[in-house]
Amino acid sequence: GAGVSQSPSNKVTEKGKDVELRCDPISGHTALYWYRQSLGQGLEFLIYFQGNSAPDKSGLPSDRFSAERTGGSVSTLTIQRTQQEDSAVYLCASTPTSGSSGAYEQYFGPGTRLTVT
Amino acid sequence: ELKVEQNPLFLSMQEGKNYTIYCNYSTTSDRLYWYRQDPGKSLESLFVLLSNGAVKQEGRLMASLDTKARLSTLHITAAVHDLSATYFCAVDMNQGAQKLVFGQGTRLTINP
Repeated sequence: GAGVSQSPSNKVTEKGKDVELRCDPISGHTALYWYRQSLGQGLEFLIYFQGNSAPDKSGLPSDRFSAERTGGSVSTLTIQRTQQEDSAVYLCASTPTSGSSGAYEQYFGPGTRLTVT
Repeated sequence: ELKVEQNPLFLSMQEGKNYTIYCNYSTTSDRLYWYRQDPGKSLESLFVLLSNGAVKQEGRLMASLDTKARLSTLHITAAVHDLSATYFCAVDMNQGAQKLVFGQGTRLTINP
């Protein structure tokens, strides 16, 4: 079946512009995660959605970052007023469910490489 | 704050040799994940370890978890070139949400 998809695969933007990154999780997966991978910071958790619950935004680095998940499926990560330090690969992952009663491997998308010039 | 450290960060080895990658973490957790990443690619799940003493094997790779020592190992047996990649361990923050904290990654190069 189809895996996690992300778009665009590459995005180059000028400093100060806003960008939107899209993630389409595996059908039926209720949990969705955003991570960021950069040379300086490695792989970092950003935000987590579970079903219709309020998202866990504890990993977002600043208030310039926000994310939505519409209809429990597609998610959009928005970065406002981009800075050069935002340059990284943004990875999305999904799992069938989450919670203390079970643990499921996270399936990662191909990522969006963001370059801020 | 949960910290995850891998050792070594870079490993160059010859085909046919055995080696082990270590993953230490700083706070209690009984969920540990190993991923592989090829250059320019995303993360591929290798193993999910969910309890103390868990051992899983797939081909030439074997992973184990010691929750008391807060240590996981990824053992490579008789390495082949195709195993060249970066390997990450990740630990669940154990808050029920499976938010992962990743190690720095071990870049493995296997030479013919």
